[in-house]
Amino acid sequence: DGGITQSPKYLFRKEGQNVTLSCEQNLNHDAMYWYRQDPGQGLRLIYYSQIVNDFQKGDIAEGYSVSREKKESFPLTVTSAQKNPTAFYLCASSIVRLMNTEAFFGQGTRLTVV
Amino acid sequence: QKEVEQNSGPLSVPEGAIASLNCTYSDRVSQSFFWYRQYSGKSPELIMSIYSNGDKEDGRFTAQLNKASQYVSLLIRDSQPSDSATYLCAVNTPRAGGTSYGKLTFGQGTILTVHP
Repeated sequence: DGGITQSPKYLFRKEGQNVTLSCEQNLNHDAMYWYRQDPGQGLRLIYYSQIVNDFQKGDIAEGYSVSREKKESFPLTVTSAQKNPTAFYLCASSIVRLMNTEAFFGQGTRLTVV
Repeated sequence: QKEVEQNSGPLSVPEGAIASLNCTYSDRVSQSFFWYRQYSGKSPELIMSIYSNGDKEDGRFTAQLNKASQYVSLLIRDSQPSDSATYLCAVNTPRAGGTSYGKLTFGQGTILTVHP
């Protein structure tokens, strides 16, 4: 089945720890995105990538890092510099063209700082 | 001004009524517009996309786009309790230089409740 897989579904982080969230897609999409969602809020863009080995900061990139070494994978690291990391993290992917650029989402990772 | 703004909610409508959800965007070069539905605790699900001015209908859903007014809306006819969710408007804006891909930016969402 084609789709986007995020893991883990739930993640607990201690203060001062870095954690990495996994996102894998087998849709052959070029573009991948990471969003953060806080309770009762919309989605805020953290990072996005159009092609392998290239990515751009979104609106709230501070305290996060990404890599895009393979087309299928776009992992997100939440570093200790992110002061309020508890949130719902969503990965999405889409094709790259002018029209029909619908983005599809994984099931999300809920990160909690303990 | 926020890049994408949705009408404040929550919105409550009776079963069978029409629910109207509105969204405005700030960047005139935006090309693609989407509506997503998100149930509590779940990830967003695409329900409509629209690229040209006018109306686009799919079942009980109609998306309307007016690029001159920088406005996009979603109408849900014959609303059902199962339509109760948060609806997110998303806008794709090309990068400078005319490349096909750009940022996909979301509004804050509108909570819709359909009561029996």
